[in-house]
Amino acid sequence: AQSVTQLDSHVSVSEGTPVLLRCNYSSSYSPSLFWYVQHPNKGLQLLLKYTSAATLVKGINGFEAEFKKSETSFHLTKPSAHMSDAAEYFCVVSPYNFNKFYFGSGTKLNVKP
Amino acid sequence: DTGVSQNPRHKITKRGQNVTFRCDPISEHNRLYWYRQTLGQGPEFLTYFQNEAQLEKSRLLSDRFSAERPKGSFSTLEIQRTEQGDSAMYLCASSSTGGNSPLHFGNGTRLTVT
Repeated sequence: AQSVTQLDSHVSVSEGTPVLLRCNYSSSYSPSLFWYVQHPNKGLQLLLKYTSAATLVKGINGFEAEFKKSETSFHLTKPSAHMSDAAEYFCVVSPYNFNKFYFGSGTKLNVKP
Repeated sequence: DTGVSQNPRHKITKRGQNVTFRCDPISEHNRLYWYRQTLGQGPEFLTYFQNEAQLEKSRLLSDRFSAERPKGSFSTLEIQRTEQGDSAMYLCASSSTGGNSPLHFGNGTRLTVT
């Protein structure tokens, strides 16, 4: 069975401090993993993807994520939050070659000045 | 790459009316997906096409919903006899063939049923 758990529905950080958004997954098959960001009334934009190459994946806007198979985790991090990072973030798992994508319930990131 | 385009951006309709949404995927993508997203929730899968073939439909997709992709390019999603519970953001995404290909989303169509 495939599922994604985003452990925090809301995260609040101050501008300039690190961001950590947590994601755990379960997948019966070798998964691809993705993080998407959604700003209000917009579609989802791909931040980064893991596809069984390097376990540390760098994405756009300074975000990165580390795939840890032993912990079944794919947490999203950024060293220094910017006001423009305030948005909702979705972790997504796709079992390899299954053409299906399973979404987490999302984490809303608030960035305080 | 002009991205995934969805029209209209917003639709307000009265309960019982029919509505149709259009999605134009990235031109070289042969897979096209429809998702529904309600406030505070993640996207829920509705259906997906590979070229013109509709390969899977979610149990969420009642018989009032129908989707087509007649020539393997653009797709339409029609909702008949709309209900207030259909109010949501309808998202279209496309991807290329390949096990690791990500979804590319449009900006969605927001449906409000009054």
